[in-house]
This record gives sequence, structure tokens and C-alpha cells, in this order.
Amino acid sequence: GNSVTQMEGPVTLSEEAFLTINCTYTATGYPSLFWYVQYPGEGLQLLLKATKADDKGSNKGFEATYRKETTSFHLEKGSVQVSDSAVYFCALSWGKFQFGAGTQVVVTP
Amino acid sequence: GAGVSQSPRYKVAKRGQDVALRCDPISGHVSLFWYQQALGQGPEFLTYFQNEAQLDKSGLPSDRFFAERPEGSVSTLKIQRTQQEDSAVYLCASSLRVGENYGYTFGSGTRLTVV
Repeated sequence: GNSVTQMEGPVTLSEEAFLTINCTYTATGYPSLFWYVQYPGEGLQLLLKATKADDKGSNKGFEATYRKETTSFHLEKGSVQVSDSAVYFCALSWGKFQFGAGTQVVVTP
Repeated sequence: GAGVSQSPRYKVAKRGQDVALRCDPISGHVSLFWYQQALGQGPEFLTYFQNEAQLDKSGLPSDRFFAERPEGSVSTLKIQRTQQEDSAVYLCASSLRVGENYGYTFGSGTRLTVV
């Protein structure tokens, strides 16, 4: 069946550091891939998405590229801010979503 | 409304009690999902509506869970005879269109604690 595996957290970084969150998936065919972010006490917000191989999704300085050959969709940001502290979820979709377990990111001043 | 609204925000239920959780999707959104998010975990699919039709309920964990969307807008997730393992955040999400390419707008969730 379909599954999503994310690196475990928490990931603790200093402000302006480079962030990478690894995400790999298992699926038959080529689902759409998403990153969602969840701030404390809030619902999930769509961060970015990619719908086919080699697509790059980007938003708010975050980027992720749909890599069919490695079945990956790693999230990156070049310079994080304290306000980026949140839990990040990788997900694939065939219409309904399959989420990873989430990665908590803590950015310190 | 501007976003997906869920109520109540928090619910404490005694074991064995029935609960009803409400979701008001964005006006005009066709697709509506319910997810269950246990502490420290990613959301798990429960059920899916397209308008008033419940097209997929494969994720409902037992026959104590029941969802409806009678007029194709507001949806209610009902849990009968709650158990401690039902404690979780229940998330509702909606989308204007149908299809895997569309991201969904999530509500803030209802945190259910069964004591």
C-alpha cells in the first residue's frame, strides 16, 4: 500500500540555518505530493505541492522537488526564521491523503 | 465562511458517552474529508464526502463511528460509546474541486479527550 516516511524530529536549528526535512514515499504509480505545516494549536496549512515527476513546489522560501527515481520529496529552506517553528507533514494524494508522522522543527534565535 | 470551521474546539467525554463533532466547510466546497490525528502522529483518513454522498468510509475504525453530510455542506462526525482510544484531534478538510492535485483547506480540529 501507499506510505510516507519522514525523518524524525525534533530538528533544532539556529535562525538563518539551512533546513532539510527528508521525505520518501511508497506508492503505485505517481501520486501528487504535498507538504503541510501545522503551527501550535492550529490546523494544517498547505505549504507547497508537486503533481508530477521533476516538478518543484515552492512557497515562503521553502522548496521541494518531486523525485521519481528516488521516490523522494525533501523539503528545504535556505535560511530559517523563528516563525518557521512548527510541525511539517509530508503527504501523498490519490484523492485522499496519506500523511507522514510529521517532523517538529524548532528554530532558536 | 473564510475557512473551515470546526466545533467544539475541545471536548471532554466520559467513557461510554456519545459525541458529535461539527464541520462547516468553505462555502461551495464539494469535497469534504475527516481525519483522526493521534498525539504525535500524522492525520489518518477516516471518511470522504463528495457533496452529500459518502464515497469512502474505509478509514472509520469501528461501527461506533458515523459521519453524515445530508445537504452537502455541514458535516457531523458522531462517535458512539466513546472509548479512551478515541482520544485524538479530529480534523475536517474541504476542497472546491475533486481530485488528487488539489490541496485541501483544513480546520483547526476538535480535540477529543475521553476520560
